[in-house]
Amino acid sequence: KNEVEQSPQNLTAQEGEFITINCSYSVGISALHWLQQHPGGGIVSLFMLSSGKKKHGRLIATINIQEKHSSLHITASHPRDSAVYICAVSTYGGSQGNLIFGKGTKLSVKP
Amino acid sequence: NAGVMQNPRHLVRRRGQEARLRCSPMKGHSHVYWYRQLPEEGLKFMVYLQKENIIDESGMPKERFSAEFPKEGPSILRIQQVVRGDSAAYFCASSRQGANQPQHFGDGTRLSIL
Repeated sequence: KNEVEQSPQNLTAQEGEFITINCSYSVGISALHWLQQHPGGGIVSLFMLSSGKKKHGRLIATINIQEKHSSLHITASHPRDSAVYICAVSTYGGSQGNLIFGKGTKLSVKP
Repeated sequence: NAGVMQNPRHLVRRRGQEARLRCSPMKGHSHVYWYRQLPEEGLKFMVYLQKENIIDESGMPKERFSAEFPKEGPSILRIQQVVRGDSAAYFCASSRQGANQPQHFGDGTRLSIL
């Protein structure tokens, strides 16, 4: 079993829909990251969080430390949100660079 | 203010040759991280460096792979005697000093081995 699990693996939505991507982890963490990988391959860091909730534009990330679960929400989705969304964790006691990655959720938003 | 710069974007090597991948961190960033993404697989941590120091190389293959981040100049990931299995996208990220600083990623180098 992977230490970081994401669901769903693939997600197709219509423009305007509210989207949720889930991430569960089985290790103690110091931080959780949400990344976006564009179709061209580049990676953008969206959020880094260790508790609570963060919001940036139409993106919201939440984390529940007790349940070892995080969610990434996209409100009013748009075709330009189409990308692979990756959850990653920095383990507690590990070096901050030693991230463990989920396999990603491929999101396709149709116009 | 340039982001993390990786070059080359694409690199083709024949089996047995050496591959050198370069990463210039963002201005003000002293920490560099290298990750590898094999075809159809997720990202994997390779190595974490600060200037002139390797902090964590637990993800680096024991043979043929090395990394450095000299006092001056970019970080270099070096792969000697490349094999077909080294074909992958190699990403570099950088961050400021301090615990749990956000990482900023480069666009990656796509390495293809003929």
